[in-house]
Formats: sequence, C-alpha cells, structure tokens
Amino acid sequence: DTAVSQTPKYLVTQMGNDKSIKCEQNLGHDTMYWYKQDSKKFLKIMFSYNNKELIINETVPNRFSPKSPDKAHLNLHINSLELGDSAVYFCASSPLEVDTQYFGPGTRLTVL
Amino acid sequence: AQSVTQLGSHVSVSEGALVLLRCNYSSSVPPYLFWYVQYPNQGLQLLLKYTTGATLVKGINGFEAEFKKSETSFHLTKPSAHMSDAAEYFCAVSDRRYSTLTFGKGTMLLVSP
Repeated sequence: DTAVSQTPKYLVTQMGNDKSIKCEQNLGHDTMYWYKQDSKKFLKIMFSYNNKELIINETVPNRFSPKSPDKAHLNLHINSLELGDSAVYFCASSPLEVDTQYFGPGTRLTVL
Repeated sequence: AQSVTQLGSHVSVSEGALVLLRCNYSSSVPPYLFWYVQYPNQGLQLLLKYTTGATLVKGINGFEAEFKKSETSFHLTKPSAHMSDAAEYFCAVSDRRYSTLTFGKGTMLLVSP
C-alpha cells in the first residue's frame, strides 16, 4: 500500500526536451506539494495545491507547470529542460490544516 | 519569513554513543517544527514534530527533540546510536498559513562500529 507514489523513479533526458513526473496519493489528503532537492541535498518548496487549486508558487520558472486533475494527483510538467533542472523532485501530501507531510520516494531527473 | 539552520553538515558518532543534531529556527509566528530522516535513495520520513503542548517530543526509533523557545532551538537527540541510524536528517519549520515546509540544509549522521 504505497501512500505517495511517483513515476518515474529515474528520468534521463536531453536539454530542451519536455517531460512530466506523475504523483498520486491514496491517503485522502487535501493538499499536495512539489519539492526540489538539489545536488547538495537542499530541499525547497516549489508548489502547493489544495483541493486542485494552486496555493503556493515559489518563484519557479514558467517552464514548470503543475497540473492537478483531481485531489489525489499532482503532476509536474517541465518544458525546455535545462542542465540546472537536474535534481531529485519529491511529491508530498498532507491533510487539510495539518502540517505533517508524507513524501513520495522521489524522481531523480538528469538532464544531459 | 522563516528559516532553519542546522549546525554541522556531517556528524560522526560511534555506535552506542549519544546522538545530538542541532537545529535553530527563525519564525515570526509560533512555529511548528519537524525532523525528517532520509535514507539513501529514499524519500523523507517523519521522525517527530512539535506543534503545541509538551516541549519534549518523542519520535520513532528512539529519537526525541526539545523545543526551546528562548533559544529558538529544536535539537534532535538519541541516547545510543545504532548503525541503522546513519542517514541524512532534516529539520524543518512550517508556514502554518500555507502548510509548506522550510527545510534546513540537512545533517548527515555517520555511525561507526
């Protein structure tokens, strides 16, 4: 019973390509997030969605576009990939107004 | 704005020794504080959290942390380290309005036999 799942686990692609990372949670949570972990392990919030509505967009380039088709899914689309986009991307979810976040296993994106 | 400072990017202890990982925070509102652990190539797992109430918080795997408002600290401790504790540990503070987490830069705990 995977609580927060992400696909793919690894993603290797060329500069300039467009790619998507999918996230699904089966916990019934209202809020979902995307975090980026860089090569120095620093974690930073990218987006926060509450019931399919964008709540937080933390100065992320327009090439990154989250999409939430329903409350259980939050996908991340990245256009025109750049070398600096290489990182591990984590999806997380939490119940409404409760701060404990549950993280997915991460997607390691490598841009060549 | 909130921030978290974790002192020491690496902490080395011997198996059986006390573990102390330091975390100081800055927040304009009463904070919610968290410690997460990340094992190699895995996601983050919640160790413990402080929201309100008792300032000494017990978590999983024998870890505990004490919220000290006067020192703006939330240090993580474990009386006796085990080899399986070797991992990256992240302290985080919550933006209670939007429930997003601001993380520290992490501390790698190394445990030697």
